[in-house]
Formats: sequence, C-alpha cells, structure tokens
Amino acid sequence: KQEVTQIPAALSVPEGENLVLNCSFTDSAIYNLQWFRQDPGKGLTSLLLIQSSQREQTSGRLNASLDKSSGRSTLYIAASQPGDSATYLCAVLSRLNDMRFGAGTRLTVKP
Amino acid sequence: NAGVTQTPKFQVLKTGQSMTLQCAQDMNHEYMSWYRQDPGMGLRLIHYSVGAGITDQGEVPNGYNVSRSTTEDFPLRLLSAAPSQTSVYFCASSYSSRGGYEQYFGPGTRLTVT
Repeated sequence: KQEVTQIPAALSVPEGENLVLNCSFTDSAIYNLQWFRQDPGKGLTSLLLIQSSQREQTSGRLNASLDKSSGRSTLYIAASQPGDSATYLCAVLSRLNDMRFGAGTRLTVKP
Repeated sequence: NAGVTQTPKFQVLKTGQSMTLQCAQDMNHEYMSWYRQDPGMGLRLIHYSVGAGITDQGEVPNGYNVSRSTTEDFPLRLLSAAPSQTSVYFCASSYSSRGGYEQYFGPGTRLTVT
C-alpha cells in the first residue's frame, strides 16, 4: 500500500525567504505526483503535476521535482509572500484513480 | 466552466439519518472520485468511477454508496449517518493528460453528525 509522508507538518518563515517542502512515498511505481494548495475552509487547488517520466515542473515561483527511485518530491517556493500562507498537499497516483495524499505542510509566511 | 460543484456546503445530521451529497462537473471528465478529509489524516478515497455506469470502492467505502448514471453527476449517499462520518467531503474529477491524470476538486461539503 502506498504511503505518503510530508515533512515538516508546519513551517513558519519571514517574507522573502526561499523554502522547500518535502514529500516522500513508499512505492516508486507511480503514474504521477500532484502538489495542491488548500486555504482554510476551502477546496484543493492544483499547483503542479509531475508525470512519472518527468523530473520537474515549474510554474512561476514554484518548482516541483520528482525522484522516483528514492521516493521523493520537493516543492520549492521562491521569494515567499504572505499570500503563500496555506496548507500544501502532496498526492501520488499509484494506479488508476487511487490517489494517496500526505497529511500536508501548513505554511505561514510572516510579513 | 463551473468546474466541479458540490452541494450542500454545510450539513448537520442526526445519527441514523440518511442523505445524499451532490457532485457535478462540466468538463466531460471520465473519472470522478469522493474523498473525506479528517484532521491530521490527509484525504482518503471513499469511492470512484471510471465512467458512467462503473463505480468501485476506495480505501474507506463502508457506510457510503455511489452511482454514476451520467458523465456529469456522481452523488454520494450516506445510508445511516454515524458520528464517525463527521468530516469534510470532497468530490474530484480527472482526465487523462499526456500519460497522467490531473485531479480537479470541488469546494467541499462540511458534514457534522450528532
């Protein structure tokens, strides 16, 4: 059974810092990995999707990497802003329509 | 496009009551799923569908039923509500894109069972 772990559970940084969120998974046989953002009381917003054949994806200040062999993905956020404060979720699709989520990293960016 | 819509946004039930959570998508996605989110546990898959008329169980299916009579709609039925079903429920749809399946989520339904 695929298990997904996110470290740290919570992170607080001053505005402007570059930061890295970590995601690890136990089974390297995956279709893809997806990073989401969730604001309090809201749904999930897709940030980046990395297919199993890809090493990284970039969108604006966000860069996500994937290392299947070691079962790891990182989400890099450059020049963090208070508006980046949210919970970030990593999800791994191991087989069709079986997506496993990590518990998330709660990020606070202080002005 | 409205994307994935869910109703109601909030619901309070008494133990033993039944109800249906509605989910609809207007993106013509083949795949639809229901998840529940509990504090500290991430999202867990309840049921999913790979197309109209086809459904299957996920990780935590007990106490829930689904059906998929159309591509657009995927309702989730609670048969006899229990306090353990207090949670936030999310519906998602996805499609195959360049070898991957990108999921789109609805805004969620917050359910409290007393």
